[in-house]
Amino acid sequence: QLVLTQSPSASASLGASVKLTCTLSSGHSSYAIAWHQQQPEKGPRYLMNLNSDGSHTKGDGIPDRFSGSSSGAERYLTISSLQSEDEADYYCQTWGTGIPVFGGGTKLTVL
Amino acid sequence: QVQLVESGGGVVQPGRSLRLSCAASGFTFSSYGMHWVRQAPGKGLEWVAVISYDGINKYYADSVKGRFTISRDNSKNTLYLQMNSLRAEDTAVFYCAKVKASGWYLWDAFDIWGQGTMVTVSS
Repeated sequence: QLVLTQSPSASASLGASVKLTCTLSSGHSSYAIAWHQQQPEKGPRYLMNLNSDGSHTKGDGIPDRFSGSSSGAERYLTISSLQSEDEADYYCQTWGTGIPVFGGGTKLTVL
Repeated sequence: QVQLVESGGGVVQPGRSLRLSCAASGFTFSSYGMHWVRQAPGKGLEWVAVISYDGINKYYADSVKGRFTISRDNSKNTLYLQMNSLRAEDTAVFYCAKVKASGWYLWDAFDIWGQGTMVTVSS
């Protein structure tokens, strides 16, 4: 069964960097994912597609502070120079077996 | 600009029906598969249904199969979700979302999301 695992929470200081992780379940480590940001009381916003080789394509208007990388079954979202508006829930999504699957989300707190 | 705007949410009693709409603008709506995704209060995202660009192919999550129907009117650039036999556990914000790739792709990243419409099922 395809499952995406995310840590429930993360925190980092204003101006610092943070790396969020999304782990694909066994047997699915080659799948591409997408990262989405959901600010409080808003709909999700697409950040990027991220492939197993670490190549990624960002959505329109997504700042250079957001980047993606991969290692094995892990997919990472790195946010540098953290700003207050980065405080949000971050979800990973995959569609490797067809039906879309979402991770449980990581709530990022900017200190 | 590229935009999806949902409407039609509200408070409804268990067992009743509701139809959601999603108005699309800023892109060629008729060229893209479209999805509905929901989010229960305080919870994560759950996929609900998908429809192909031409309206022919439709798939549903097991939790809504037989109760919900997805449809689209490409002449009106609008996506719909007819929800029947609503249950308390259907209470959620419902989002429509566009797939990234055009054409016959149903399963792809979602690159545009709406702002959501709240559905509350309660007696």
